[in-house]
Amino acid sequence: RKEVEQDPGPFNVPEGATVAFNCTYSNSASQSFFWCRQDCRKEPKLLMSVYSSGNEDGRFTAQLNRASQYISLLIRDSKLSDSATYLCVVHRGSQGNLIFGKGTKLSVKP
Amino acid sequence: NAGVMQNPRHLVRRRGQEARLRCSPMKGHSHVYWYRQLPEEGLKFMVYLQKENIIDESGMPKERFSAEFPKEGPSILRIQQVVRGDSAAYFCASSPPKGGAYNEQFFGPGTRLTVL
Repeated sequence: RKEVEQDPGPFNVPEGATVAFNCTYSNSASQSFFWCRQDCRKEPKLLMSVYSSGNEDGRFTAQLNRASQYISLLIRDSKLSDSATYLCVVHRGSQGNLIFGKGTKLSVKP
Repeated sequence: NAGVMQNPRHLVRRRGQEARLRCSPMKGHSHVYWYRQLPEEGLKFMVYLQKENIIDESGMPKERFSAEFPKEGPSILRIQQVVRGDSAAYFCASSPPKGGAYNEQFFGPGTRLTVL
């Protein structure tokens, strides 16, 4: 079983739609959780951290369920510019490597 | 403050040649990480270095791959006798030295290696 699993998609949605991505992780020792965005052939960029209390940044809402080892990202009112691959990322400590999911591809159409 | 710099951005090698990928971390960062992204795959950790030390190389292939981060100069990821399966994007990330909660890793633009 992969340490971080995501539905690869693609998710093809119209502008204005709400879309949700899910991710599960297998290592209960994981401490920090993130969503990153990767545009085609570019480096990943941090989108937002994920907390158990849930956090929101504009149209983006992230949620962590430690008991189920499940992470989610909700995008409301999708824009064309949201088209990208969304990476679920897990980190185990203050230093050390990040563990990436394979990514979920989102394509927002006009 | 310049971000993480990687060069070259694109590298073409023939099978059997050597590839050297360079990474200059952000100013003040003393931790460097290398990740590899194969086509249509997620990023996979390769190695974590601090100045003059390899901290974790659990993701490095056992043969042909090596990494260093000397006291002066960039971190180097070296691939000897490249094969077609080494074709990938290689990303470097750096983070600051302080401990505590997670220290954000900042990614460079990557080096795209193509092996002919």
